[in-house]
Amino acid sequence: NAGVTQTPKFQVLKTGQSMTLQCAQDMNHEYMSWYRQDPGMGLRLIHYSVGAGITDQGEVPNGYNVSRSTTEDFPLRLLSAAPSQTSVYFCASSYVLTGTTDTQYFGPGTRLTVL
Amino acid sequence: SQQGEEDPQALSIQEGENATMNCSYKTSINNLQWYRQNSGRGLVHLILIRSNEREKHSGRLRVTLDTSKKSSSLLITASRAADTASYFCATPSRRGTSYGKLTFGQGTILTVHP
Repeated sequence: NAGVTQTPKFQVLKTGQSMTLQCAQDMNHEYMSWYRQDPGMGLRLIHYSVGAGITDQGEVPNGYNVSRSTTEDFPLRLLSAAPSQTSVYFCASSYVLTGTTDTQYFGPGTRLTVL
Repeated sequence: SQQGEEDPQALSIQEGENATMNCSYKTSINNLQWYRQNSGRGLVHLILIRSNEREKHSGRLRVTLDTSKKSSSLLITASRAADTASYFCATPSRRGTSYGKLTFGQGTILTVHP
C-alpha cells in the first residue's frame, strides 16, 4: 500500500493564480480531510469528506473548494491564490466508525508559497 | 479556538529523562488521540485512548485520560534523541450520528539532547 499520497511536494504561485492539490489513498478509507499547518497555529481543518459525493466545511474553508467523486481521491482547489494561503497542506484519511473518529493517516504534505 | 490545547509549548530534556506533555479539551469526547510530527513530515498516529479508559500503554508511551478534568497526558519514558519531534493531541467532534472531524491542538515541541 502506498498509503496517502500528495502531489506536488512544493509549489510556488503568484497571487490570483488557481491550482489543485492532489490527494489519493489506497486504503479504501471513507473519511478524507485537508488541513493547513502554519507556525504557531497547529493544524486547522479546511474541508473534509465522509464518503464519495459528501463533503463539508472545516474551520477555515474560505478560498478553497473540494469535491469527492471517488473513494480514493480528494483534491483541494485554490480558486484565486492569496499570500495568506502560504502554508503546508496535509491530506489525511481514515475509516469512519459510528460514534467515533478513527486513526488518521497523513500524507507527506505540500508546501505552498504564494507570492 | 482549538478543541485541544497542549502544554508546555516546548520542552527540552536530556536523553534518558522522561518527557510529559499535557492536553486539555473543552467538550465531551469519545476518544483522544496523540500524534507525532518529525520536522518537515506528515503526522504519525501514536496512540488512541477511549473515553472509558483511564490509562493506556504502548512501548515507552503512557497516556492517561481524565474526563472529569477534560485533560490527557502523554509520558515518554527513557527518551531518545530520535523522540525529538512535535506532539499533538486530537479530539473528534460530533456531527449528527457520525464523527467526521478531528481537531488538533497547537502541539508541544520536544527536543531531546544526546
